Amino acid sequence: GQQLNQSPQSMFIQEGEDVSMNCTSSSIFNTWLWYKQDPGEGPVLLIALYKAGELTSNGRLTAQFGITRKDSFLNISASIPSDVGIYFCAGPGSGGSNYKLTFGKGTLLTVNP
Amino acid sequence: TAGITQAPTSQILAAGRSMTLRCTQDMRHNAMYWYRQDLGLGLRLIHYSNTAGTTGKGEVPDGYSVSRANTDDFPLTLASAVPSQTSVYFCASSVDSDNYGYTFGSGTRLTVV
Repeated sequence: GQQLNQSPQSMFIQEGEDVSMNCTSSSIFNTWLWYKQDPGEGPVLLIALYKAGELTSNGRLTAQFGITRKDSFLNISASIPSDVGIYFCAGPGSGGSNYKLTFGKGTLLTVNP
Repeated sequence: TAGITQAPTSQILAAGRSMTLRCTQDMRHNAMYWYRQDLGLGLRLIHYSNTAGTTGKGEVPDGYSVSRANTDDFPLTLASAVPSQTSVYFCASSVDSDNYGYTFGSGTRLTVV
């Protein structure tokens, strides 16, 4: 099946710093999504992107749908302690699972107050 | 607003025993999903249901079965548990199978010993 490669695997930053993470695929995606998982909870949708080149913001979060449709970026500005968690990129797979969401392996973000 | 309720929260299960993980949603979503989350592997789709009365296999279906007798419930059954099924299991739903804004439950942590 399709695989999404996220980087970095983990980040340890100071409160107030900006964060950038990305996701790449060997296949073209028509939709990119970014989810966040708080410790002990299920993932929650942050941003959805539907068009190549699209740039969308949600508060301090900004995500972009790459022009090639094979990558996406998520930026967090002025990080705060509650930004801690695992960030997943996701996109609809293809083939046997009928376009269900495929998730990357996640980026673990730790914010030092 | 409850959203998705999963039960139990956690369970220790002897190898060879059977178990059903429960999932109920109150949003009248048509599509439902089961994912497992393992360290270093991210979220992987086990089974899905596009609508009540239908189910399909995901990326890692072996050893699991599901049923969808009505819109609200989507139980996941392990017929004979093995240690490799130790994982955190997440149930999710979406308005329909073409909508990628999944709502996740809080998960069931299962340990097979």
